[in-house]
Order: sequence, then structure tokens, then C-alpha cells
Amino acid sequence: DIQMTQSPSSLSASVGDRVTIACRASESIGTYLNWYQQKPGKAPKLLIYAASSLQSGVPSGFSGSGSGTDFTLTIDSLQPDDFATYFCQQSYSIGGPTFGGGTKVEI
Amino acid sequence: EVHLVESGGALVQPGGSLRLSCEASGFTVSTFNINWVRQAPGKGLEWVSYISSSSSGSTIYYADSVKGRFTISGDSAKNSVYLQMNSLRAEDTAVYFCAREPPWLGEFIMDVWGKGTTVTVSS
Repeated sequence: DIQMTQSPSSLSASVGDRVTIACRASESIGTYLNWYQQKPGKAPKLLIYAASSLQSGVPSGFSGSGSGTDFTLTIDSLQPDDFATYFCQQSYSIGGPTFGGGTKVEI
Repeated sequence: EVHLVESGGALVQPGGSLRLSCEASGFTVSTFNINWVRQAPGKGLEWVSYISSSSSGSTIYYADSVKGRFTISGDSAKNSVYLQMNSLRAEDTAVYFCAREPPWLGEFIMDVWGKGTTVTVSS
């Protein structure tokens, strides 16, 4: 199985801060990397797919980059609605996707 | 508007069975791949199972952790997908989400999720 490792597991930030979350795959996955946002008690929401494509309706302040094994999610200017947990997910393996452990963004 | 609604979660004893349902509205479920993803209390996301659209021949996959115990199926007439869970274990305790996978995004990229249904396995 392809293992996905996120860092940090949590971070504290303020409104207006630029935030960067890293995700590393245990083997090369090209750009088969997706990012989801989840708020407490809610379903995950797709933010970024194929490493850098912004899902329809997602604010342009979110961006993704990377390929191979190292990926990054960046939030340009943190908004109050952005405090949540973020998960990366590989969709490379035909046997099924795997998710990172999550990064909780707190005030 | 596009929605997925899960149901069927309950408290069940170890070794018991449950059948989860995922009903779609606003789109035809048989034209999309559908995944089940679960989240144990306070934990991350774990993919459980996948069924491809019936136009793709209904290919099915399972995570190793549930293979041989869980069965995914679809019913076009009811616009629904199901997850039959047998031989349940304490470690199956989780919120179970179903999620849609549109063909224009790629495999295992999930753009619409239900709110989830809670399964608790305990004596």
C-alpha cells in the first residue's frame, strides 16, 4: 500500500496568515494527489485534485503543487472559514486510495 | 441539487451484520463510480470499497481490512448503493460516508459526499 504522511499534524495560525501543509507519498504517484477539507461533524469537501487543479466553487486562495512524492497545499490568506482539518489523498493505486493522517488548522 | 444520504447505521454486537444504504438524488447513481469511506472516532479517513458505474461493468474493489466481510452493490431502480457488512468487529466502529466519483475528475476523486451514518460495534 502507498502510505501518505502529512506534516504538521496540527498548526496554529491567525486570520490573514499564509499556511502551508505538506504531504509525502511512500512512492512516486505522479500528480495523483487530492486535498480535502473537513470540519467537525461534517463530510470532507474536495478542494484540489490532480495536485494543482482547483475544484469548482473553491476559493482561489487555495492552491496545490508538487509531483512524484512531495506535495503542498497552500492557503494564501487564512479566513475564519478555513479553520478545519485538511487531508491529502493519493488516487494513483488501482487497489484503492489512501489518505494522509490529516492536518488540523487551529486559531 | 446533488445529494447523497446514508442510512442504516446502528449499534451492533461483535460478529453481527448491518446493511448501509446510500441514496442519491439529483443525479443517476448508476452513471457514477461510488465509494464508501469511513472515519473512526477522532481518526482520519479510511477508504473501504468502490463500485464502478454500471456502464463500466460494475468493477468492485475492497480494502484489505474488510475484504471477505463487506459486500458493495447497487440498485439502479432505487438510485442507491449498499454496503452489506458481516462479521463486524470493534475496529469497524466509524462514521461511514458514501461519496460520488465523477468521470470527468478521475478515479477515486470524490466530489460529493453524504453526511455519514454511524456504526458502533460493541457488546
